[in-house]
Amino acid sequence: AQSVTQLDSQVPVFEEAPVELRCNYSSSVSVYLFWYVQYPNQGLQLLLKYLSGSTLVKGINGFEAEFNKSQTSFHLRKPSVHISDTAEYFCAVNSGGSNYKLTFGKGTLLTVNP
Amino acid sequence: GAVVSQHPSRVICKSGTSVKIECRSLDFQATTMFWYRQFPKKSLMLMATSNEGSKATYEQGVEKDKFLINHASLTLSTLTVTSAHPEDSSFYICSAWSGAGTFDEQFFGPGTRLTVL
Repeated sequence: AQSVTQLDSQVPVFEEAPVELRCNYSSSVSVYLFWYVQYPNQGLQLLLKYLSGSTLVKGINGFEAEFNKSQTSFHLRKPSVHISDTAEYFCAVNSGGSNYKLTFGKGTLLTVNP
Repeated sequence: GAVVSQHPSRVICKSGTSVKIECRSLDFQATTMFWYRQFPKKSLMLMATSNEGSKATYEQGVEKDKFLINHASLTLSTLTVTSAHPEDSSFYICSAWSGAGTFDEQFFGPGTRLTVL
């Protein structure tokens, strides 16, 4: 079974400050990891994904995440946030192989204040 | 990236009526489509997985007679909420995967807001 824990339900930050959104996962097999962003009343947009290779993954809008197998984490970071980054962020895991289901964390609401 | 559309984007209906939501993959063929439900300020809950030409696989606790899923072609899946009640009000999101090779990504639709009066 696979599961995802997003430790912070809400993260308020000021504009141009750095931010880290935390994600931990559990899975009995190797994993694929994803971060999605959801703006109000919209669907999900993929920010970045880790499938294999380099553990540091760069995504859209200046976001990056690092896969840490020993800590079973995949934290999302951005060095300087903008007001427009205010949104809900979801971490998701897939255990690969013939299992193509995604398991989502509960989400983190990032609020960027001026 | 691949594009998935949903129609309608918003629907309001009376209790007891049925509502159909369409999910289309616009620029690729989707062997597999997924239907999610999202409650306010909550995460996405997978309702069912549908494969083209076969019956959908429902997650535990999801009533298959309530939420009818049809995946008749490689570009279209439909979710019909039968005899809708106010507790069915929610944000429904579909996603699609081409099914080619190993899984790498689901592409999500923009969602459908269902309100049952």
